[in-house]
Amino acid sequence: KQEVTQIPAALSVPEGENLVLNCSFTDSAIYNLQWFRQDPGKGLTSLLLIQSSQREQTSGRLNASLDKSSGRSTLYIAASQPGDSATYLCAVITTSGTYKYIFGTGTRLKVLA
Amino acid sequence: GAVVSQHPSRVICKSGTSVKIECRSLDFQATTMFWYRQFPKQSLMLMATSNEGSKATYEQGVEKDKFLINHASLTLSTLTVTSAHPEDSSFYICSAAGGGTDTQYFGPGTRLTVL
Repeated sequence: KQEVTQIPAALSVPEGENLVLNCSFTDSAIYNLQWFRQDPGKGLTSLLLIQSSQREQTSGRLNASLDKSSGRSTLYIAASQPGDSATYLCAVITTSGTYKYIFGTGTRLKVLA
Repeated sequence: GAVVSQHPSRVICKSGTSVKIECRSLDFQATTMFWYRQFPKQSLMLMATSNEGSKATYEQGVEKDKFLINHASLTLSTLTVTSAHPEDSSFYICSAAGGGTDTQYFGPGTRLTVL
């Protein structure tokens, strides 16, 4: 059974820091991996989608990498801002019949002004 | 981009009543829709997958008689929580995917509070 874990569970950093969020999964046979952000009480905002054939994706200050063989993905946030404060979720996409998303445990990020 | 809406955004009901939540794909045909549940400070857990015109497939541990899912059209799926109890209070999020594609588009969620 695929399990997705995110470390750290919570993180508090001063504004301007570069930071790395980690996502690990137990079964490397994934289709894609996607990173989301979730603000309190809100739905999901897609940040980056990494297809299984890719090793990384970039969007603005965000960079996500994927290493399927080691079951890891990282989300790098450069020059963090208070507006980046949110919960970040990674999801692996599996292909057992229907494409299913299995979400990680989440990292709650707080960027202090 | 693909837009998915949910209605209502918040609902409060009394214990023992039933609540219906709607999920709509606004600008694409969703052959598959998914329902997730999220308890406070926890991640999203998939409850069930539904294909248009077919019965939903429920994940292990999810009571199909309690959480009724209907996906009667390519743009609408509904989740009915029957005989709701306080432990059913949660954030329910739906997602939708087009035919044969892997990408799911997520709705904004519905906060259910059962008194």
